[in-house]
Amino acid sequence: ETGVTQTPRHLVMGMTNKKSLKCEQHLGHNAMYWYKQSAKKPLELMFVYSLEERVENNSVPSRFSPECPNSSHLFLHLHTLQPEDSALYLCASSQVLTGGEKRNTIYFGEGSWLTVV
Amino acid sequence: DQQVKQNSPSLSVQEGRISILNCDYTNSMFDYFLWYKKYPAEGPTFLISISSIKDKNEDGRFTVFLNKSAKHLSLHIVPSQPGDSAVYFCAASLNQAGTALIFGKGTTLSVSS
Repeated sequence: ETGVTQTPRHLVMGMTNKKSLKCEQHLGHNAMYWYKQSAKKPLELMFVYSLEERVENNSVPSRFSPECPNSSHLFLHLHTLQPEDSALYLCASSQVLTGGEKRNTIYFGEGSWLTVV
Repeated sequence: DQQVKQNSPSLSVQEGRISILNCDYTNSMFDYFLWYKKYPAEGPTFLISISSIKDKNEDGRFTVFLNKSAKHLSLHIVPSQPGDSAVYFCAASLNQAGTALIFGKGTTLSVSS
């Protein structure tokens, strides 16, 4: 149990479908993140929400749409995806602090495996 | 352009020996570094971290060394155990609150008994 829960763990969707990934953190953190892990690539940061405001969007295509209704929940809405979007999508959270050894330590969920057919 | 590089995709070590995983970075503004461990079908789990004001941090069998002049850090695991077999990710962070981590591609460690 990591304190960050992602659902569903596995998702298969067609290119015309609309689906959503859900993330919930039980750690009392104030920042949440979406990362994408594709085979043989570094973990790619997609979105950052700090204090429920989006603070970073790394040129992610508009077919990925994040939503952060509160500090404990984060969604990734998926629409008209491409097969190359098939990957492991990881949600993470952290407590935004300055200074100290635990600054910016991010805690990950177990990920949602997405296959686009 | 990768800011955090793990140039060895894999490493094989015998049980009881030392495992040394290496990581290089290019951005001199990074001031906080972390190692994560990832098993198949699971999310990465935090292992150990070091801030740029230190050159070494130790936690049990795990020690991270930082060489700022060389922009290089390493993770030492001693003694290595079969349960350490996993993918290890190096990550770096800028000195800004709320900034997310930049990860390397990972190194797959295999510890044989």
